[in-house]
Amino acid sequence: GAVVSQHPSRVICKSGTSVKIECRSLDFQATTMFWYRQFPKKSLMLMATSNEGSKATYEQGVEKDKFLINHASLTLSTLTVTSAHPEDSSFYICSARLANYGYTFGSGTRLTVV
Amino acid sequence: SQQGEEDPQALSIQEGENATMNCSYKTSINNLQWYRQNSGRGLVHLILIRSNEREKHSGRLRVTLDTSKKSSSLLITASRAADTASYFCARGTGSNYKLTFGKGTLLTVNP
Repeated sequence: GAVVSQHPSRVICKSGTSVKIECRSLDFQATTMFWYRQFPKKSLMLMATSNEGSKATYEQGVEKDKFLINHASLTLSTLTVTSAHPEDSSFYICSARLANYGYTFGSGTRLTVV
Repeated sequence: SQQGEEDPQALSIQEGENATMNCSYKTSINNLQWYRQNSGRGLVHLILIRSNEREKHSGRLRVTLDTSKKSSSLLITASRAADTASYFCARGTGSNYKLTFGKGTLLTVNP
């Protein structure tokens, strides 16, 4: 089946540094990828939609300069949390839309900013 | 809120019992999907039901959709301890089929 590989699974970084999270589609081409954020025991909140070769579309309230999304190829989308602060600590998950309108999700990245 | 609302927020049952989770939404949909998430993990797709479908089955799972009431339900029959997880409904909307998730139901199946 279609698999999205997300790395890293866990990352701890210092305040002020930037962190890059990668999502790769392993056996299919992902024209569209979605990035979500999830707080403990909460639902997934869509942050942005990334389309290969074009600018990402951000949801209301999401700072595009803070959460940089790049979708340079049909198999790779990246989310960079710039100048991270403790309040950015969260679980970040990517997903790719499949041709049959289903979705496949990455395994998530637990970001802790200290 | 654009999110769907699941109820109950938490459900605790004994192994072998059935578990029913409900999801309501406010706007029109292309499809509605149910996902499962084990603690701290990614999501696993369970079932997708299109807006013109009323019921779908997959193994021990049964999903219904009532577009007139803007609601859906997920039934897990003969539950097992391994079914313990959070279950989310998600609405697919728009030309990009953006997914909007509900708040989720935390299901605990006691052995």
